[in-house]
Amino acid sequence: DTAVSQTPKYLVTQMGNDKSIKCEQNLGHDTMYWYKQDSKKFLKIMFSYNNKELIINETVPNRFSPKSPDKAHLNLHINSLELGDSAVYFCASSRGQGRSTQDTQYFGPGTRLTVL
Amino acid sequence: AQTVTQSQPEMSVQEAETVTLSCTYDTSESDYYLFWYKQPPSRQMILVIRQEAYKQQNATENRFSVNFQKAAKSFSLKISDSQLGDAAMYFCAYRITGGFKTIFGAGTRLFVKA
Repeated sequence: DTAVSQTPKYLVTQMGNDKSIKCEQNLGHDTMYWYKQDSKKFLKIMFSYNNKELIINETVPNRFSPKSPDKAHLNLHINSLELGDSAVYFCASSRGQGRSTQDTQYFGPGTRLTVL
Repeated sequence: AQTVTQSQPEMSVQEAETVTLSCTYDTSESDYYLFWYKQPPSRQMILVIRQEAYKQQNATENRFSVNFQKAAKSFSLKISDSQLGDAAMYFCAYRITGGFKTIFGAGTRLFVKA
């Protein structure tokens, strides 16, 4: 069974559109994350939710809005897409607050977003 | 602020040989975790090995081992008996104990020659 899943895996869209990426984990974890990996492979955290509460919100344009309907889901909605938003977006989850190595993050397969 | 540096953008190794990937980090904390993740062409991020900073013993997972030098803030990954399937991007990562945020290095691309 897939532990952390994301849909879609590929997303091609026009500038100015609004799109969403969905993430689900079946590990029973309390914490979920969104990362962006740019064309140079640099991986940077965008958001983190713990028990449906936003706990990390890095310097991300407010066109990006995460939504966590429950602990198992963390969706990413992007408004008014720009060329620079093209990247691979990874969802991840972990058990808790990083107090042990059991809180290692497990990643989804990534969503490659291409903005034309 | 914590940072993670991987000074080798690319490395190459002959199949069955040993290769070491370098990682240094900067932190003022004493309690933290360090990780190596592998990202093959499939782009899935896979945990390779992890190390608790309070442990002096270096972590080992089969052919993968680390050389953790806390005073030097160095955390290198050694891959023994390299296999073609080891070809991937390797990311070093840091997380403070009790923190949610994991900081990643820029990655090292490993090529394995047959």
